[in-house]
Amino acid sequence: EIVLTQSPATLSLSPGERATLSCRASQSVYHYLAWYQQKPDQAPRLLIYDASNRATGIPARFSGSGFGTDFTLTISSLEPEDFAVYYCQQRTNWPFTFGPGTKVDIK
Amino acid sequence: QVQLLESGGGVVQPGGSLRLSCATSGFMFSTYGMHWVRQAPGKGLEWVAFIRSDGSNNFYGDSVKGRFTISRDNSNNTLYLQMNGLRAEDTAVYYCAKNLVGGGTTGSWFDPWGQGTLVIVSS
Repeated sequence: EIVLTQSPATLSLSPGERATLSCRASQSVYHYLAWYQQKPDQAPRLLIYDASNRATGIPARFSGSGFGTDFTLTISSLEPEDFAVYYCQQRTNWPFTFGPGTKVDIK
Repeated sequence: QVQLLESGGGVVQPGGSLRLSCATSGFMFSTYGMHWVRQAPGKGLEWVAFIRSDGSNNFYGDSVKGRFTISRDNSNNTLYLQMNGLRAEDTAVYYCAKNLVGGGTTGSWFDPWGQGTLVIVSS
């Protein structure tokens, strides 16, 4: 099973600041990595797939990068609605696995 | 507009069974693989199962293999998860999710997700 590790566990920032979230895989997942956003009491929402492709309707302030084992989700300038938990997920091998999540909260 | 609506959750005793349903609309259900993903209270996400568009091939997470069965009814645009031998650690919100990519492809990204149905396993 591929293990995904996310850092930091919590990121405390102010609106307008840049957020940089990291996801590391225990083995190469090539570009088969996605990022999801989950707000309290809501279902997750796909943000980024195949490491760097924005899903439909996702604002341009969200970007993804990386290949192999190291990936980054960047939010260029935090909006109030961006404070949430972010999960990475791989689909290289079964079982598909998620990282433990990074919570972005208001400083 | 794609809609996914889960139902069938509730409280069940350890060792019991439950069948979840996911009613879909707004897309050609029979051409998309589908997933179940769960989230224990206050915890992260765990992928549970996947079924191909034609139901020909299924995959399961290790923690549910042999106890859960994913299935689908393409004539009624509905996805199912039959859960047997339930344990306390199966307590979670269960989400159904559509494959991002259609056709005969294998598992893809989860997009979109339903609102979830809560399963509580407790005596």
